Amino acid sequence: RKEVEQDPGPFNVPEGATVAFNCTYSNSASQSFFWYRQDCRKEPKLLMSVYSSGNEDGRFTAQLNRASQYISLLIRDSKLSDSATYLCVVSLSGGYQKVTFGIGTKLQVIP
Amino acid sequence: EPEVTQTPSHQVTQMGQEVILRCVPISNHLYFYWYRQILGQKVEFLVSFYNNEISEKSEIFDDQFSVERPDGSNFTLKIRSTKLEDSAMYFCASSGGGIEETQYFGPGTRLLVL
Repeated sequence: RKEVEQDPGPFNVPEGATVAFNCTYSNSASQSFFWYRQDCRKEPKLLMSVYSSGNEDGRFTAQLNRASQYISLLIRDSKLSDSATYLCVVSLSGGYQKVTFGIGTKLQVIP
Repeated sequence: EPEVTQTPSHQVTQMGQEVILRCVPISNHLYFYWYRQILGQKVEFLVSFYNNEISEKSEIFDDQFSVERPDGSNFTLKIRSTKLEDSAMYFCASSGGGIEETQYFGPGTRLLVL
């Protein structure tokens, strides 16, 4: 089983749609979880950290289910500028250890 | 906003040559990393560095690779004898550690080995 597993997509959605991405991780000892965004040929940029209680940042909501070792990202009211690859990122603990990336899920928002 | 910088942005080299990729992490960060991304593949961890020594490295980071923090600001990745399969985007990242756990990535160096 892959350490961090994501559906690579692509997800093609119309502007204004709601879209959800899922991610599973294999190591139950993982402690820190993140969603990064990567535009074509650019560096990964932090979108949001994911907390056990779930967290929301504007149109973006992230959820963590430790029992199922599952992370989700929900994007509401999709904008053209949301088109990117969304990377699920997991760490055993803290920012001082390596993080493990999923392959990423590609989102294309269509006018 | 502080950011990680990397030079050069692109590097083309011949197989067997040595390359040095340079990074300037965010100034008050304590932890430094190198990752690579082969075109079309996922971002892969290479090495982490703290307190002037390697804290963790992956299987990819073999004897051909080395890292150094030669002064208070730069963090370098050296590949001694490049192979065709070293062609990739190399990202440097840094984090503050402790409560601040987010890793911030530089724009990357695209390495092409011919």
